[in-house]
Amino acid sequence: GESVGLHLPTLSVQEGDNSIINCAYSNSASDYFIWYKQESGKGPQFIIDIRSNMDKRQGQRVTVLLNKTVKHLSLQIAATQPGDSAVYFCAENFGDTDKLIFGTGTRLQVFP
Amino acid sequence: NAGVMQNPRHLVRRRGQEARLRCSPVKGHSHVYWYRQLPEEGLKFMVYLQKENIIDESGMPKERFSAEFPKEGPSILRIQQVVRGDSAAYFCASSFDRAVLPNEAFFGQGTRLTVV
Repeated sequence: GESVGLHLPTLSVQEGDNSIINCAYSNSASDYFIWYKQESGKGPQFIIDIRSNMDKRQGQRVTVLLNKTVKHLSLQIAATQPGDSAVYFCAENFGDTDKLIFGTGTRLQVFP
Repeated sequence: NAGVMQNPRHLVRRRGQEARLRCSPVKGHSHVYWYRQLPEEGLKFMVYLQKENIIDESGMPKERFSAEFPKEGPSILRIQQVVRGDSAAYFCASSFDRAVLPNEAFFGQGTRLTVV
């Protein structure tokens, strides 16, 4: 029979509102974090990154916040637009490794 | 200025067949990473290769999966005797040097493997 897969958590926001996407990471030794955007049928696209010696970093319309005490990462998108609709993943990296550990993702839906 | 090129974009194989996925890195990049993504999940690291060397294969299944990055030509991810559970999107990323900052690794558009 057909297996039932996990469904991504979904955040629905109105165009023009701010969006906040949250992520809990797993490894307290992780010292580098990235947010990726993935549109349907495409590969991950880098949005913004942050090192563990920072707690906030801003880009164009996006801000990443890092709370190492509770191992929590958030992505804030200002004035959300329809083009922001996608699945967003956080990823962590630690030590001398080159591999990224991805979170499970959040689907952002923007409605008019 | 081509990015990471993966082909085919879609691949259908019957159970027991072999699947070969190709990844051409960004020109000048000598480091390649393969990730697997199941539906509705995040990407899972599989293997990291430099030209002619496997650096980290800690995410590769012990059997049926292999990867290479020859001196000339694309990186190949090979899956022998495919099973339905191998159905997934396989992504490749490349970087110029060891990705001190992983954001320097660019992802391709992926190969979607369907095993029937």
